Amino acid sequence: TQLLEQSPQFLSIQEGENLTVYCNSSSVFSSLQWYRQEPGEGPVLLVTVVTGGEVKKLKRLTFQFGDARKDSSLHITAAQPGDTGLYLCADMDSNYQLIWGAGTKLIIKP
Amino acid sequence: NAGVTQTPKFQVLKTGQSMTLQCAQDMNHEYMSWYRQDPGMGLRLIHYSVGAGITDQGEVPNGYNVSRSTTEDFPLRLLSAAPSQTSVYFCASSLGVDQPQHFGDGTRLSIL
Repeated sequence: TQLLEQSPQFLSIQEGENLTVYCNSSSVFSSLQWYRQEPGEGPVLLVTVVTGGEVKKLKRLTFQFGDARKDSSLHITAAQPGDTGLYLCADMDSNYQLIWGAGTKLIIKP
Repeated sequence: NAGVTQTPKFQVLKTGQSMTLQCAQDMNHEYMSWYRQDPGMGLRLIHYSVGAGITDQGEVPNGYNVSRSTTEDFPLRLLSAAPSQTSVYFCASSLGVDQPQHFGDGTRLSIL
């Protein structure tokens, strides 16, 4: 059974700082998805990465997929309070079901 | 822009009571699913449906029933609530089984 481990579990930083959060898998990723979940809401898809070494950018967010397709990172530049939320990674298994990490809870203090 | 609508948003039950969590989507999505989210754990799939009349079990189906009589609706039934079912429940839908999922805002359920 595939396990996704996200680190750190919790991160609190000041506005304007940079940060990186990680998602590591016990087996090769199939189709890795990153979501952001704000308090009281459901997860919202940010990006899907499939190819080893792939880098995708979404404004101040940079998503990187490891060459071996067992790790991924999300880097936020100049964090803003609006970036606060729970960041989740998920991979699709062979039955097209999503396997989820427990998430990184991010707080950006103004 | 309704998307995926879940009702109720909050519910408190006593052990042994039954209830139905409602989920409706207006995007004509074939695939719908139910997850539960517990602190420190990833979302876990309870049941899913690939189309009207078709349902299947996910990772944690015990204690829950579902049905899919229409494309739009996918209710989740708790047959006899237990404290272990205290959780936040999310419904999601997508065009197909391998397509990005759209989530509702969740139902926060407490079982006393």
